[in-house]
Amino acid sequence: QQQVKQSPQSLIVQKGGISIINCAYENTAFDYFPWYQQFPGKGPALLIAIRPDVSEKKEGRFTISFNKSAKQFSLHIMDSQPGDSATYFCAAIPSNTGNQFYFGTGTSLTVIP
Amino acid sequence: KAGVTQTPRYLIKTRGQQVTLSCSPISGHRSVSWYQQTPGQGLQFLFEYFSETQRNKGNFPGRFSGRQFSNSRSEMNVSTLELGDSALYLCASSFSSGGDTQYFGPGTRLTVL
Repeated sequence: QQQVKQSPQSLIVQKGGISIINCAYENTAFDYFPWYQQFPGKGPALLIAIRPDVSEKKEGRFTISFNKSAKQFSLHIMDSQPGDSATYFCAAIPSNTGNQFYFGTGTSLTVIP
Repeated sequence: KAGVTQTPRYLIKTRGQQVTLSCSPISGHRSVSWYQQTPGQGLQFLFEYFSETQRNKGNFPGRFSGRQFSNSRSEMNVSTLELGDSALYLCASSFSSGGDTQYFGPGTRLTVL
């Protein structure tokens, strides 16, 4: 059973456009929501993360929007660049249960020049 | 600070053999988690070790085991390899156990023939 559902599976965006990736969860015990970026041949790298006490967090061109009542969160990449082409994973972790992260299935983003 | 290192980077084994993978966490990190990444299943949590104790275990058969040493280095072992064990095995380290940011290594690519 996939605890974190991620969409779309793949995304193609023009350079300069906005990339939006969505995730949804059911477990209300989740209280930490990171996004990871993975390039081919590399391990995932933390991009940005949010806790449910805020509805939005922005770091540079990357923004997480969080809707606690809908149990959804999304990643927005503004002014998308070809160098952003990678696979993006959302994740969630419940409180006080160690570091067992539950990952979404990933979104392959391609930014075309 | 050096990142998470994993050895070896690539392995080819045959069915029925066993394999040991190694992970050295970031200096000062005491939590090490292992994940299996496949195209079909995405990132699946295997187990987490914190201060030499297994803190969490994912839904994998007993053929998958691990341990952590006093210097926080960790190994995972897979016995009686099956074709379906072919995957990228990722190690992630954190300072603490409990919803802390995880930093991933580059992974070990295991191919079972």
